[in-house]
Amino acid sequence: AQKITQTQPGMFVQEKEAVTLDCTYDTSDPSYGLFWYKQPSSGEMIFLIYQGSYDQQNATEGRYSLNFQKARKSANLVISASQLGDSAMYFCAMREGQGNFNKFYFGSGTKLNVKP
Amino acid sequence: DGGITQSPKYLFRKEGQNVTLSCEQNLNHDAMYWYRQDPGQGLRLIYYSQIVNDFQKGDIAEGYSVSREKKESFPLTVTSAQKNPTAFYLCASSTPGRGTSDTQYFGPGTRLTVL
Repeated sequence: AQKITQTQPGMFVQEKEAVTLDCTYDTSDPSYGLFWYKQPSSGEMIFLIYQGSYDQQNATEGRYSLNFQKARKSANLVISASQLGDSAMYFCAMREGQGNFNKFYFGSGTKLNVKP
Repeated sequence: DGGITQSPKYLFRKEGQNVTLSCEQNLNHDAMYWYRQDPGQGLRLIYYSQIVNDFQKGDIAEGYSVSREKKESFPLTVTSAQKNPTAFYLCASSTPGRGTSDTQYFGPGTRLTVL
């Protein structure tokens, strides 16, 4: 089974509007972390936001928020007030681990295009 | 500035050649990782290292080798045994834990092309 599933290969959003990128995960580890990364055309993976499995509140970082629904095993990224510079690939990732090593699993990504 | 550097940015390899990709970090992170990314795909783990002089195979280690002689450095060698090495290679580092401290931070990547 896929550990991380991103079902939207591509998305379009109008500038200044909000957009939600979907991510579902699969783990039996009670302690895990969920991450979102942005990958612009230059290739570098830029960390955006983190949500811990025990966190009671949804994580927020500026225009980014993570809609964490634990029972549904979903961790959707919400970008508010989209900007042209938000056009990029977005990857959802999960960290699970036992002991000292934490393995990361990445989804296949969603390509976001922001239209002017 | 703290961060991860990778060199070179672009690398061209002839058939049958071994090439080494450099990865250096000054974040004082214990763990380092190498990922491969093919066009339109996610990341696949090649090798990882939790501490100096120790490393483990990831999901696609065949045709690759690594070393971890210093905490700051984790070079990846793409050997001639790797039949399809053309890809984008990303190095990452983290401090393993259970909170935000184990976020993986990435270098800018190396794009390898086989001629």
